[in-house]
Amino acid sequence: GENVEQHPSTLSVQEGDSAVIKCTYSDSASNYFPWYKQELGKRPQLIIDIRSNVGEKKDQRIAVTLNKTAKHFSLHITETQPEDSAVYFCAASLPVNQGAQKLVFGQGTRLTINP
Amino acid sequence: DAGITQSPRHKVTETGTPVTLRCHQTENHRYMYWYRQDPGHGLRLIHYSYGVKDTDKGEVSDGYSVSRSKTEDFLLTLESATSSQTSVYFCATARGGAYEQYFGPGTRLTVT
Repeated sequence: GENVEQHPSTLSVQEGDSAVIKCTYSDSASNYFPWYKQELGKRPQLIIDIRSNVGEKKDQRIAVTLNKTAKHFSLHITETQPEDSAVYFCAASLPVNQGAQKLVFGQGTRLTINP
Repeated sequence: DAGITQSPRHKVTETGTPVTLRCHQTENHRYMYWYRQDPGHGLRLIHYSYGVKDTDKGEVSDGYSVSRSKTEDFLLTLESATSSQTSVYFCATARGGAYEQYFGPGTRLTVT
Protein backbone atom coordinates (compact mmCIF):
# COMPACT_ATOMS: atom_id res chain seq x y z
CA GLY A 1 0.00 0.00 0.00
CA GLU A 2 0.88 3.67 -0.08
CA ASN A 3 3.55 4.90 2.31
CA VAL A 4 4.32 8.57 2.94
CA GLU A 5 7.53 9.69 4.62
CA GLN A 6 7.86 13.26 5.93
CA HIS A 7 11.01 15.15 7.00
CA PRO A 8 12.08 16.74 9.18
CA SER A 9 10.02 15.80 12.24
CA THR A 10 10.87 19.13 13.89
CA LEU A 11 11.99 22.41 12.34
CA SER A 12 12.93 25.64 14.02
CA VAL A 13 13.50 28.83 11.99
CA GLN A 14 13.94 32.52 12.71
CA GLU A 15 11.01 34.77 11.99
CA GLY A 16 11.28 36.08 8.46
CA ASP A 17 13.29 33.11 7.19
CA SER A 18 11.96 30.34 4.94
CA ALA A 19 10.89 26.85 5.95
CA VAL A 20 10.84 23.75 3.75
CA ILE A 21 9.19 20.42 4.57
CA LYS A 22 9.64 17.42 2.32
CA CYS A 23 7.58 14.28 1.69
CA THR A 24 8.03 11.18 -0.42
CA TYR A 25 5.37 8.70 -1.46
CA SER A 26 5.51 5.18 -2.82
CA ASP A 27 2.42 4.56 -4.95
CA SER A 28 2.55 6.07 -8.43
CA ALA A 29 -1.27 5.93 -8.55
CA SER A 30 -1.46 8.77 -5.99
CA ASN A 31 -2.97 11.76 -7.77
CA TYR A 32 -3.56 14.47 -5.19
CA PHE A 33 -1.28 15.88 -2.50
CA PRO A 34 -2.71 18.14 0.22
CA TRP A 35 -0.95 19.85 3.09
CA TYR A 36 -2.63 20.39 6.45
CA LYS A 37 -1.74 22.70 9.31
CA GLN A 38 -2.73 21.68 12.81
CA GLU A 39 -2.48 23.96 15.81
CA LEU A 40 -2.41 22.48 19.29
CA GLY A 41 -5.77 20.94 20.20
CA LYS A 42 -7.35 21.93 16.88
CA ARG A 43 -8.49 20.18 13.75
CA PRO A 44 -6.19 19.78 10.72
CA GLN A 45 -6.81 22.63 8.29
CA LEU A 46 -6.17 22.34 4.57
CA ILE A 47 -3.72 25.08 3.57
CA ILE A 48 -2.68 24.15 0.05
CA ASP A 49 -2.86 21.20 -2.30
CA ILE A 50 -1.57 20.09 -5.67
CA ARG A 51 -2.78 17.60 -8.24
CA SER A 52 -0.58 15.19 -10.10
CA ASN A 53 -0.82 17.07 -13.40
CA VAL A 54 0.72 20.22 -11.89
CA GLY A 55 4.34 20.82 -10.88
CA GLU A 56 4.01 23.84 -8.64
CA LYS A 57 1.32 25.89 -6.93
CA LYS A 58 1.61 29.07 -4.92
CA ASP A 59 -0.70 30.90 -2.55
CA GLN A 60 0.79 34.06 -1.05
CA ARG A 61 3.62 32.95 1.27
CA ILE A 62 3.15 29.23 0.80
CA ALA A 63 3.99 27.07 -2.20
CA VAL A 64 4.02 23.39 -2.98
CA THR A 65 6.14 21.60 -5.57
CA LEU A 66 5.65 18.10 -6.94
CA ASN A 67 8.13 15.83 -8.72
CA LYS A 68 6.15 12.84 -9.96
CA THR A 69 9.17 11.06 -11.38
CA ALA A 70 10.98 11.10 -8.05
CA LYS A 71 7.73 10.72 -6.08
CA HIS A 72 8.35 13.63 -3.79
CA PHE A 73 6.64 16.89 -2.94
CA SER A 74 7.55 19.80 -0.72
CA LEU A 75 5.96 22.67 1.19
CA HIS A 76 7.72 26.03 1.15
CA ILE A 77 6.80 28.83 3.54
CA THR A 78 8.50 32.19 2.97
CA GLU A 79 8.76 35.19 5.29
CA THR A 80 7.71 33.06 8.24
CA GLN A 81 5.66 34.60 11.04
CA PRO A 82 4.99 33.43 14.63
CA GLU A 83 1.47 32.33 13.62
CA ASP A 84 3.03 29.81 11.25
CA SER A 85 4.10 27.76 14.29
CA ALA A 86 2.11 24.51 14.16
CA VAL A 87 2.35 20.88 13.09
CA TYR A 88 2.20 20.38 9.33
CA PHE A 89 1.10 17.15 7.66
CA CYS A 90 1.54 16.10 4.07
CA ALA A 91 -0.69 13.46 2.51
CA ALA A 92 -0.99 11.46 -0.67
CA SER A 93 -4.39 10.54 -2.02
CA LEU A 94 -5.40 7.35 -3.75
CA PRO A 95 -8.72 6.88 -5.53
CA VAL A 96 -10.89 4.16 -3.97
CA ASN A 97 -14.61 3.36 -4.29
CA GLN A 98 -16.81 5.52 -6.51
CA GLY A 99 -14.81 8.70 -6.39
CA ALA A 100 -13.79 8.52 -2.74
CA GLN A 101 -10.16 9.42 -1.99
CA LYS A 102 -8.09 7.64 0.62
CA LEU A 103 -5.58 10.00 2.27
CA VAL A 104 -2.31 8.55 3.57
CA PHE A 105 -0.55 10.99 5.87
CA GLY A 106 3.05 11.64 6.73
CA GLN A 107 4.07 11.63 10.39
CA GLY A 108 4.03 15.40 10.73
CA THR A 109 6.55 18.24 11.16
CA ARG A 110 6.48 20.48 14.20
CA LEU A 111 7.46 23.95 12.94
CA THR A 112 8.52 26.56 15.46
CA ILE A 113 9.08 30.17 14.43
CA ASN A 114 11.47 31.97 16.77
CA PRO A 115 10.89 35.72 17.13
CA ASP B 1 -15.07 24.40 8.55
CA ALA B 2 -17.63 22.76 6.26
CA GLY B 3 -20.27 22.58 8.99
CA ILE B 4 -18.88 19.44 10.59
CA THR B 5 -19.51 18.60 14.21
CA GLN B 6 -18.48 15.63 16.29
CA SER B 7 -19.95 14.27 19.49
CA PRO B 8 -18.96 13.73 22.15
CA ARG B 9 -15.85 15.92 22.14
CA HIS B 10 -14.31 14.05 25.06
CA LYS B 11 -15.05 10.62 26.46
CA VAL B 12 -13.50 8.36 29.05
CA THR B 13 -14.66 4.77 29.03
CA GLU B 14 -13.62 1.41 30.45
CA THR B 15 -12.09 -1.50 28.60
CA GLY B 16 -14.72 -3.80 27.16
CA THR B 17 -17.52 -1.25 26.89
CA PRO B 18 -19.11 -0.26 23.57
CA VAL B 19 -18.61 3.30 22.37
CA THR B 20 -20.23 5.21 19.50
CA LEU B 21 -18.86 8.44 18.09
CA ARG B 22 -20.97 10.64 15.87
CA CYS B 23 -20.03 12.86 12.96
CA HIS B 24 -22.65 15.27 11.66
CA GLN B 25 -22.34 17.51 8.60
CA THR B 26 -24.64 20.14 7.17
CA GLU B 27 -22.90 20.53 3.78
CA ASN B 28 -24.58 17.62 1.99
CA HIS B 29 -21.12 16.21 1.21
CA ARG B 30 -21.19 12.78 -0.37
CA TYR B 31 -18.02 11.35 1.18
CA MET B 32 -17.28 10.92 4.86
CA TYR B 33 -14.20 9.51 6.56
CA TRP B 34 -13.06 8.47 10.04
CA TYR B 35 -9.39 8.89 10.99
CA ARG B 36 -7.51 8.35 14.21
CA GLN B 37 -4.52 10.44 15.25
CA ASP B 38 -1.76 9.07 17.43
CA PRO B 39 1.68 10.52 18.22
CA GLY B 40 4.24 9.44 15.64
CA HIS B 41 1.62 8.06 13.24
CA GLY B 42 -0.01 11.13 11.77
CA LEU B 43 -3.61 10.41 10.84
CA ARG B 44 -4.73 6.96 9.71
CA LEU B 45 -7.93 6.08 7.91
CA ILE B 46 -10.29 3.75 9.80
CA HIS B 47 -13.38 3.57 7.55
CA TYR B 48 -14.98 5.69 4.90
CA SER B 49 -18.38 6.12 3.24
CA TYR B 50 -19.11 6.93 -0.40
CA GLY B 51 -22.86 7.25 0.06
CA VAL B 52 -25.78 6.34 2.30
CA LYS B 53 -25.33 2.74 3.42
CA ASP B 54 -22.09 2.48 1.36
CA THR B 55 -18.99 2.04 3.49
CA ASP B 56 -15.59 0.40 3.25
CA LYS B 57 -12.53 -0.30 5.37
CA GLY B 58 -9.45 1.85 5.67
CA GLU B 59 -5.99 0.86 6.84
CA VAL B 60 -6.74 0.42 10.57
CA SER B 61 -10.31 -0.93 10.64
CA ASP B 62 -9.93 -3.86 13.08
CA GLY B 63 -12.13 -3.37 16.14
CA TYR B 64 -14.24 -0.66 14.50
CA SER B 65 -17.52 -0.62 12.60
CA VAL B 66 -19.40 2.23 10.93
CA SER B 67 -22.85 3.06 9.72
CA ARG B 68 -24.34 5.76 7.54
CA SER B 69 -28.13 5.73 7.44
CA LYS B 70 -28.45 9.30 6.14
CA THR B 71 -26.22 11.73 4.28
CA GLU B 72 -25.47 13.96 7.24
CA ASP B 73 -24.48 11.35 9.85
CA PHE B 74 -21.58 8.90 9.99
CA LEU B 75 -21.24 6.80 13.13
CA LEU B 76 -18.10 5.05 14.35
CA THR B 77 -18.59 2.20 16.84
CA LEU B 78 -16.03 0.47 18.99
CA GLU B 79 -17.83 -2.76 19.87
CA SER B 80 -15.58 -3.53 22.85
CA ALA B 81 -13.13 -0.74 23.58
CA THR B 82 -9.48 -1.56 24.27
CA SER B 83 -6.68 0.62 25.63
CA SER B 84 -5.04 0.62 22.18
CA GLN B 85 -8.05 2.56 20.91
CA THR B 86 -7.23 5.52 23.13
CA SER B 87 -6.75 8.23 20.53
CA VAL B 88 -8.10 11.39 18.98
CA TYR B 89 -10.72 10.60 16.34
CA PHE B 90 -11.38 12.96 13.45
CA CYS B 91 -14.17 12.87 10.96
CA ALA B 92 -13.68 14.40 7.52
CA THR B 93 -16.01 15.11 4.61
CA ALA B 94 -15.66 15.82 0.92
CA ARG B 95 -18.20 16.81 -1.69
CA GLY B 96 -18.75 14.76 -4.82
CA GLY B 97 -16.29 15.48 -7.61
CA ALA B 98 -13.78 17.13 -5.28
CA TYR B 99 -10.58 15.90 -3.68
CA GLU B 100 -10.49 18.26 -0.71
CA GLN B 101 -11.29 16.77 2.70
CA TYR B 102 -12.36 18.99 5.59
CA PHE B 103 -12.03 17.87 9.16
CA GLY B 104 -14.31 18.04 12.16
CA PRO B 105 -13.11 19.24 15.59
CA GLY B 106 -12.19 15.76 16.83
CA THR B 107 -13.15 13.51 19.73
CA ARG B 108 -10.60 12.65 22.40
CA LEU B 109 -11.30 9.11 23.59
CA THR B 110 -9.57 7.56 26.59
CA VAL B 111 -10.04 3.87 27.34
CA THR B 112 -8.99 2.95 30.88
